[in-house]
Amino acid sequence: DVKVTQSSRYLVKRTGEKVFLECVQDMDHENMFWYRQDPGLGLRLIYFSYDVKMKEKGDIPEGYSVSREKKERFSLILESASTNQTSMYLCASRPWGRDRANNEQFFGPGTRLTVL
Amino acid sequence: GDSVTQMEGPVTLSEEAFLTINCTYTATGYPSLFWYVQYPGEGLQLLLKATKADDKGSNKGFEATYRKETTSFHLEKGSVQVSDSAVYFCALHPKGSARQLTFGSGTQLTVLP
Repeated sequence: DVKVTQSSRYLVKRTGEKVFLECVQDMDHENMFWYRQDPGLGLRLIYFSYDVKMKEKGDIPEGYSVSREKKERFSLILESASTNQTSMYLCASRPWGRDRANNEQFFGPGTRLTVL
Repeated sequence: GDSVTQMEGPVTLSEEAFLTINCTYTATGYPSLFWYVQYPGEGLQLLLKATKADDKGSNKGFEATYRKETTSFHLEKGSVQVSDSAVYFCALHPKGSARQLTFGSGTQLTVLP
């Protein structure tokens, strides 16, 4: 059974702290993604990675960075957390494949981050 | 740019009622279309998809037909169950593009016994 795990389900941090959100997939997928989910806004793409050590900005990368040192792990980093980064963060992975448009993304359970 | 518009929720139905959640899209060309479902406390799961015009995706009693002429992909189910209570997201992926999924805002469905 495919599996995407995220390091924490709930996280509370203070403004200005450096925050690491970890995501691990066991499906040997090349592509990995970080989204944030906010009420009324759906899911918005923060960053994605085609493969190890590769990364691309999504629609809302400001205030975030990522790291992909190993194929199975994709980390989201908040360099200096702010209250407007309070949100649900979802990680996903997808196989490369020839027809990427039809490939399913597999999601982790999410991390609900609160920044005080 | 690409966009997906879903009917606003929340939607509350009685068990065995008919469900429709509207979804329309704006995109260049003919994207692939998806419905994802998020059950309480979980991540998103693919519910169904359609990759070309007039295709019908179906799964777990849910159906959606890719309508090119109306740029729509409405989700339907003939008889909902309490276990269908979840948030439903419509999404598109442009063909031949390196860009990723574009999601709608989600529709919360609550089914009452």
